[in-house]
Amino acid sequence: ETGVTQSPTHLIKTRGQQVTLRCSSQSGHNTVSWYQQALGQGPQFIFQYYREEENGRGNFPPRFSGLQFPNYSSELNVNALELDDSALYLCASSFSGVKNTGELFFGEGSRLTVL
Amino acid sequence: QQPVQSPQAVILREGEDAVINCSSSKALYSVHWYRQKHGEAPVFLMILLKGGEQKGHEKISASFNEKKQQSSLYLTASQLSYSGTYFCGTEGKTGRRALTFGSGTRLQVQP
Repeated sequence: ETGVTQSPTHLIKTRGQQVTLRCSSQSGHNTVSWYQQALGQGPQFIFQYYREEENGRGNFPPRFSGLQFPNYSSELNVNALELDDSALYLCASSFSGVKNTGELFFGEGSRLTVL
Repeated sequence: QQPVQSPQAVILREGEDAVINCSSSKALYSVHWYRQKHGEAPVFLMILLKGGEQKGHEKISASFNEKKQQSSLYLTASQLSYSGTYFCGTEGKTGRRALTFGSGTRLQVQP
């Protein structure tokens, strides 16, 4: 177990709705990344937050947004849900700094189904 | 662009060896390897940095050919616990750990 917790674990939404997913990073980590994993595929990078600011973004539209809080926890918000947004959303925490080992610690994910 | 992994799937008997390959068309800063079991989070195995430095688990080895932008993961004397899907993640020059993952290699180890 990595110490990264995500909530909710499963949720069902309808097209057009909005969703918020939450992530508590591992103690001592200051960086949070979000990935989308479609069934049978590898994780796709959505964005990364460091010191409460977006620090890199993948090829995802603006309706995917995020926040990082002073305690380094994070939220992923998706507006105007589409059927293709159905996926496992993974949060990964890491430490950015001199002692950076490069390892990402993933949570078990939030499974989103859009109907 | 997504790295290409091969093979897509492999079945082994306990004790056999396997090699999983990862190839990218882009210049790479590092290659990361993760294993994901069904319904679980991906777990870190290895990172290979440009310049030859490696960090990871002792029982798993990997190589990184910087000129060819290729990496291979070597699983020796496989155990049942090695079963899962293996992903390589490549990192460009941003150094931000924004990984681009391949589609994965499904490994099944049978008794």
